[in-house]
Amino acid sequence: QVQLQESGPGLVKPSQTLSLTCTVSGGSISSGDYYWSWIRQPPGKGLEWIGYIYYSGSTYYNPSLKSRITISVHTSKKQFSLELSSVTAADTAVYYCARESSSSCYFDYWGQGTLVTVSS
Amino acid sequence: QSALTQPASVSGSPGQSITISCTGTSSDVGIYNLVSWYQQHPGKAPKLMIFEVSKRPSGVSNRFSGSKSGNTASLTISGLQAEDEADYYCYSYAGSSPRGFGGGTKLTVL
Repeated sequence: QVQLQESGPGLVKPSQTLSLTCTVSGGSISSGDYYWSWIRQPPGKGLEWIGYIYYSGSTYYNPSLKSRITISVHTSKKQFSLELSSVTAADTAVYYCARESSSSCYFDYWGQGTLVTVSS
Repeated sequence: QSALTQPASVSGSPGQSITISCTGTSSDVGIYNLVSWYQQHPGKAPKLMIFEVSKRPSGVSNRFSGSKSGNTASLTISGLQAEDEADYYCYSYAGSSPRGFGGGTKLTVL
């Protein structure tokens, strides 16, 4: 059974960089069948797709966040990471990592989510 | 970014059927059969309910079904149960355009 688990600080100061890691277990992160994605959900609001990385390192980002995002993959550790720079209160959200089918574009496995609050 | 439109809320009584719509454009829903639906209970991660417009993952009740007509995809839940009360989101591939989720629909079981 594939499992994903987010980890990282729950509190980040404004203007700093938010950094999260997703650890994948029960499956291969090097499979060409999947994209490894980040999705966020501000409190009380809907889901926002952030971007994804392929095992090869190729990425695709939400244009609204592209200038501030870096997603990287560490295949040997079975991890992929998100960095979001210059954060503001608007970046406060539950951040989810998820596995997306590369051929059919659906998310079949999700992490439990981690709340990141941007506050001084 | 994909801008999929869903009704903010729908409701139904136990045993009834409801349908949630997801309206896109000829660049996403209308041209690709790559629409998926997610159920989210409060405080929980979303759960895949439908993929490729109408396919159900293993373990998802056959009370959940999906369809598409033109630029609008639909999720139908038959035989409503109290446990179906949740938020529902659609998601569609959009070719070279960034993909995105619908705004979400809150289902209330009366």
